[in-house]
Amino acid sequence: DAGVTQSPTHLIKTRGQQVTLRCSPKSGHDTVSWYQQALGQGPQFIFQYYEEEERQRGNFPDRFSGHQFPNYSSELNVNALLLGDSALYLCASSLAGQEGTGELFFGEGSRLTVL
Amino acid sequence: TQLLEQSPQFLSIQEGENLTVYCNSSSVFSSLQWYRQEPGEGPVLLVTVVTGGEVKKLKRLTFQFGDARKDSSLHITAAQPGDTGLYLCAGTSGSARQLTFGSGTQLTVLP
Repeated sequence: DAGVTQSPTHLIKTRGQQVTLRCSPKSGHDTVSWYQQALGQGPQFIFQYYEEEERQRGNFPDRFSGHQFPNYSSELNVNALLLGDSALYLCASSLAGQEGTGELFFGEGSRLTVL
Repeated sequence: TQLLEQSPQFLSIQEGENLTVYCNSSSVFSSLQWYRQEPGEGPVLLVTVVTGGEVKKLKRLTFQFGDARKDSSLHITAAQPGDTGLYLCAGTSGSARQLTFGSGTQLTVLP
């Protein structure tokens, strides 16, 4: 049973560029959440996708956008990259309605470095 | 904005010692979870607590949810080097579907 898979694992971009990160949820899961984790900090919620729509959003600018596909996989896009966007981007999958009581399964993350 | 504060931020102890990590908030949470994260990996769920005053045990780990559901603690007995990692508490409340994470406690257990 495949867990949550993310790609790429590492990438380097320069300021002003755009990046797309990809996530495949755990088999059977229908909800995908994205988190940003700066070095030495806890993850911060970016947004959550369910039924191909953004269902909830954290305190992140519009430069951060996403998409969920019919097969439940998801993409996170970040435009006009800033140095401060350097972080580990985590994708987590779950079953709808189990937030907070069910388990969030996290991928290993995509480490983004912006130069 | 709901905040979860964890303390201590860093903890380095010898194998066999006991330790307690704290997670505090001014907000009430409907549930609280503890995760452990190792370098290069995503967080892995350890436990979920939902009832005020609830105590759960997982081998040498004991988790407690405060009576008012605003705080939680994680106690590790006889720590081992394999317990090394970043311990994160995370809570949900009301209609919010996302987890709010604390800043984490980086635990190092020295052999």
